[in-house]
Amino acid sequence: GEDVEQSLFLSVREGDSSVINCTYTDSSSTYLYWYKQEPGAGLQLLTYIFSNMDMKQDQRLTVLLNKKDKHLSLRIADTQTGDSAIYFCAVSGSARQLTFGSGTQLTVLP
Amino acid sequence: DVKVTQSSRYLVKRTGEKVFLECVQDMDHENMFWYRQDPGLGLRLIYFSYDVKMKEKGDIPEGYSVSREKKERFSLILESASTNQTSMYLCASSFPTWESSYEQYFGPGTRLTVT
Repeated sequence: GEDVEQSLFLSVREGDSSVINCTYTDSSSTYLYWYKQEPGAGLQLLTYIFSNMDMKQDQRLTVLLNKKDKHLSLRIADTQTGDSAIYFCAVSGSARQLTFGSGTQLTVLP
Repeated sequence: DVKVTQSSRYLVKRTGEKVFLECVQDMDHENMFWYRQDPGLGLRLIYFSYDVKMKEKGDIPEGYSVSREKKERFSLILESASTNQTSMYLCASSFPTWESSYEQYFGPGTRLTVT
């Protein structure tokens, strides 16, 4: 089945950019997502990208998709302490299901 | 605004008890999902449902069952709770794929502890 990989931890200084990376195995994935989970909460959709796009920008968020390498990244510009959370990469498969990565815990240091 | 609610935020149950986790969505979504979340493992799909009275197994259905008697409600049942079912349980819902980008909307989660 589909496999989605992320590193578990990332620390950045407040004001710097954060880049969270994700790799996946199924090249037929139609949509690729980034979700954010704050402590004690469910997952909230941040953004998604359709597989025929290379890049999507939404305010401080930039998503880059490299289909050849099956690599997805999320860049957060001017990272703030409120951005501290777990970020999940997810991809749509052949059915209506999503496959999630393990999540990356982003810690923003003052 | 889509709202997915779960019946409890925290639950403590004893080994062997039957446990019911309830999920309700208010957006008339066809699709509903149950996941468990464990540190370092991400979200793993337990069961899902595409319609009333319909269910399909996900990746880790052992020890669980589900019920969907009404479109807005999807219940997860632990027939005989065990300590290895201590976890965060997340419910999600989504539109049919021909109407959407497969996006799933999540509830706040239920943290279940089995002692």
